[in-house]
Amino acid sequence: LAKTTQPISMDSYEGQEVNITCSHNNIATNDYITWYQQFPSQGPRFIIQGYKTKVTNEVASLFIPADRKSSTLSLPRVSLSDTAVYYCLVGRSSGAGSYQLTFGKGTKLSVIP
Amino acid sequence: DTAVSQTPKYLVTQMGNDKSIKCEQNLGHDTMYWYKQDSKKFLKIMFSYNNKELIINETVPNRFSPKSPDKAHLNLHINSLELGDSAVYFCASSRERGVRTGELFFGEGSRLTVL
Repeated sequence: LAKTTQPISMDSYEGQEVNITCSHNNIATNDYITWYQQFPSQGPRFIIQGYKTKVTNEVASLFIPADRKSSTLSLPRVSLSDTAVYYCLVGRSSGAGSYQLTFGKGTKLSVIP
Repeated sequence: DTAVSQTPKYLVTQMGNDKSIKCEQNLGHDTMYWYKQDSKKFLKIMFSYNNKELIINETVPNRFSPKSPDKAHLNLHINSLELGDSAVYFCASSRERGVRTGELFFGEGSRLTVL
């Protein structure tokens, strides 16, 4: 599975847009890019997934360039409740109805009032 | 309604003991997983089951034995506990077969402390 690299931490003020970039140079053709959010003492929560170009949902946007060697998670107008660890993952199906994800250290986002 | 529930949430035990962590999902998913998050916050997959069949078995000591009595349950039994087993164990489930499956639903975790 492709290794991912993302900043260890980021700070942002409330109301700002936050962009977290992740590099995954060894991404394979069948790999999808997925982002998760984790609050202290809770399990990770799925945010968004994409393969290429741009994906947007009610929570975030995911930008993936044509070479797919990196991706950027964009959180619009963050609030204090967005303070969490954000994980960028590259994963693929095992081919038997299972999906293997490898989590890295993640980016600890701190939103400041 | 809790989608993926694990019990117990906290578990403190002595080295050498045997313990189990239970997991149940009410989402109707076919696939369930166990992940381990260590003190450095790395989260790594241990096992996955699809319809009670073992699919993924990462390099985990054979002291760890998953058991899936039905597709809604995946329990983790650990024999002869060691200090290094201290971690937070997360159960998860997912729907859909195929490449696009990437959305896992995680439980709240079970923090195991081995003394």
